Amino acid sequence: AQKITQTQPGMFVQEKEAVTLDCTYDTSDQSYGLFWYKQPSSGEMIFLIYQGSYDEQNATEGRYSLNFQKARKSANLVISASQLGDSAMYFCAMRDPDYKLSFGAGTTVTVRA
Amino acid sequence: DSGVTQTPKHLITATGQRVTLRCSPRSGDLSVYWYQQSLDQGLQFLIQYYNGEERAKGNILERFSAQQFPDLHSELNLSSLELGDSALYFCASSPVTGALNTEAFFGQGTRLTVV
Repeated sequence: AQKITQTQPGMFVQEKEAVTLDCTYDTSDQSYGLFWYKQPSSGEMIFLIYQGSYDEQNATEGRYSLNFQKARKSANLVISASQLGDSAMYFCAMRDPDYKLSFGAGTTVTVRA
Repeated sequence: DSGVTQTPKHLITATGQRVTLRCSPRSGDLSVYWYQQSLDQGLQFLIQYYNGEERAKGNILERFSAQQFPDLHSELNLSSLELGDSALYFCASSPVTGALNTEAFFGQGTRLTVV
């Protein structure tokens, strides 16, 4: 069984600074996919970034980058140049070879002006 | 707009009742997932369907059932409702089930309140 752990329930970050959200996972599978989603207060789930287990380079999407350390089974999300609109809940998720998509508990990010 | 449509957006019902949540996936998406998000348990995977057939099952209660129809829309049926079933229920869809890198697109969710 797989497990995704997000140890930071909440974080504060100053506007324009970077913030790193931690995610570790536990799996015995060799093939898997890692995702980050954003959930603003309005409730919708917004896909941010993807990293495959065989990808050698860290994924980047605009201000989002994923710090993938396979040996440590971690997939931390880095948000650079934080904006007030980044205040939201962030979820790490993993898709296993059976294609089930499981989520961590989430981290609430609050961006301060 | 993700292209995934969930109805209704809000639902208030009494304990012991039965409700049906509906999900229309993005055009062409064969795979549908259902999730429950409550305050104390985060985002819990309930069940996945692929092209009409059940593909994976998570922590879905026996009082809950789901199906995916030939037109690929899906329904989640919740019966004998309890106060603890109050939650945000999400449906998500993805194009195919054969690719690990395919993200799931989420609907806006149905907020169920059991009183």
